[in-house]
Amino acid sequence: QQQVKQSPQSLIVQKGGISIINCAYENTAFDYFPWYQQFPGKGPALLIAIRPDVSEKKEGRFTISFNKSAKQFSLHIMDSQPGDSATYFCAARPLGSGNTGKLIFGQGTTLQVKP
Amino acid sequence: DADVTQTPRNRITKTGKRIMLECSQTKGHDRMYWYRQDPGLGLRLIYYSFDVKDINKGEISDGYSVSRQAQAKFSLSLESAIPNQTALYFCATSDPASSGNTIYFGEGSWLTVV
Repeated sequence: QQQVKQSPQSLIVQKGGISIINCAYENTAFDYFPWYQQFPGKGPALLIAIRPDVSEKKEGRFTISFNKSAKQFSLHIMDSQPGDSATYFCAARPLGSGNTGKLIFGQGTTLQVKP
Repeated sequence: DADVTQTPRNRITKTGKRIMLECSQTKGHDRMYWYRQDPGLGLRLIYYSFDVKDINKGEISDGYSVSRQAQAKFSLSLESAIPNQTALYFCATSDPASSGNTIYFGEGSWLTVV
């Protein structure tokens, strides 16, 4: 069964610090890797995404690093702010799913940024 | 108003009862999904539908059924609820024309089975 493993389960960072969340997958049959951000009482929302032919993608303070050979990808939040406190999910789309929403999600990381 | 609306937002039901979660969307997307979120497990796909006549099972469809009443409406039913179906349920839509087929989630429906 295809799996995406996410760590850590929870993370506490001081304001201005760097938050790092890691994900690893167990086979190579994925073609799209999005990250979702979820605030309490809300549904997840797309934050940033990367395709496997790219090693890094940056959008503002958020960066995805992708290591295809190691089957790992990570989210870096630079200059973390209290407003970034949320649950973050990595995900992967199985190859052959085409343009579908059939994503395999990681277990989630609850981030708390202390003022 | 939310683009993806779920009702009810919270529900407590008894074991063995039938419960329906409803979802409507104003995004005009053909594709709709039901996901389940459990602590430590992330989100898992229950069912998905590409149009009114196309419904497919996801990872964890056992114990669930769905109905796509119209392009904008997709409901999830638990025919005989059991306690391990206690979870947060999300309806979602997607637009295949968008880069990566972005998924848009509703705000969730908390279901507790006692």
